[in-house]
Amino acid sequence: AQKVTQAQTEISVVEKEDVTLDCVYETRDTTYYLFWYKQPPSGELVFLIRRNSFDEQNEISGRYSWNFQKSTSSFNFTITASQVVDSAVYFCALSEARGANNLFFGTGTRLTVIP
Amino acid sequence: DAGVIQSPRHEVTEMGQEVTLRCKPISGHNSLFWYRQTMMRGLELLIYFNNNVPIDDSGMPEDRFSAKMPNASFSTLKIQPSEPRDSAVYFCASSFGGQETQYFGPGTRLLVL
Repeated sequence: AQKVTQAQTEISVVEKEDVTLDCVYETRDTTYYLFWYKQPPSGELVFLIRRNSFDEQNEISGRYSWNFQKSTSSFNFTITASQVVDSAVYFCALSEARGANNLFFGTGTRLTVIP
Repeated sequence: DAGVIQSPRHEVTEMGQEVTLRCKPISGHNSLFWYRQTMMRGLELLIYFNNNVPIDDSGMPEDRFSAKMPNASFSTLKIQPSEPRDSAVYFCASSFGGQETQYFGPGTRLLVL
């Protein structure tokens, strides 16, 4: 069965610190997709990144970077030099290529960046 | 470019009333999803349409919930009769193809008294 685990419920950091949000997933499919979404206090869900299971290259986008490791079934998200605007709930999600199309979300990590 | 549009953004109603939530997907997207977010259950898929056809409605909680997609640019989620436990944020999302990235609307915050 598919499952996404975000063990960190809440994290607080001081502005300019680096922070890593962990995501561990379970799936029996060989083809799958991993996502990160951001939910700021305003409530919308903002897409951040999509990776497919065949692409293990790490990705960097500005202050954001993602580390995908199939060997440990992890897809971790790092924010460098955090800012107050990064305060939000971050969700990791999994979609399998086989079967019904569905995004399985983790429970989210609430990040608070303290000025 | 316009994103996914949902209305209303907030809805307060009394138990037993009918509630209709509306969604306009991103133009050109052929897959549409309705999700519900609660503190207890997190984000869960209610129903998924592809090319206006319901593909998977296994997440619809019970017969009080129904969803339609009469055309490629409009979908509704209806709750009749509503109950306090239906209070949640309902999100609509769309994608270009079933496995492509889903883009979410701003959500409808529903409170059933």
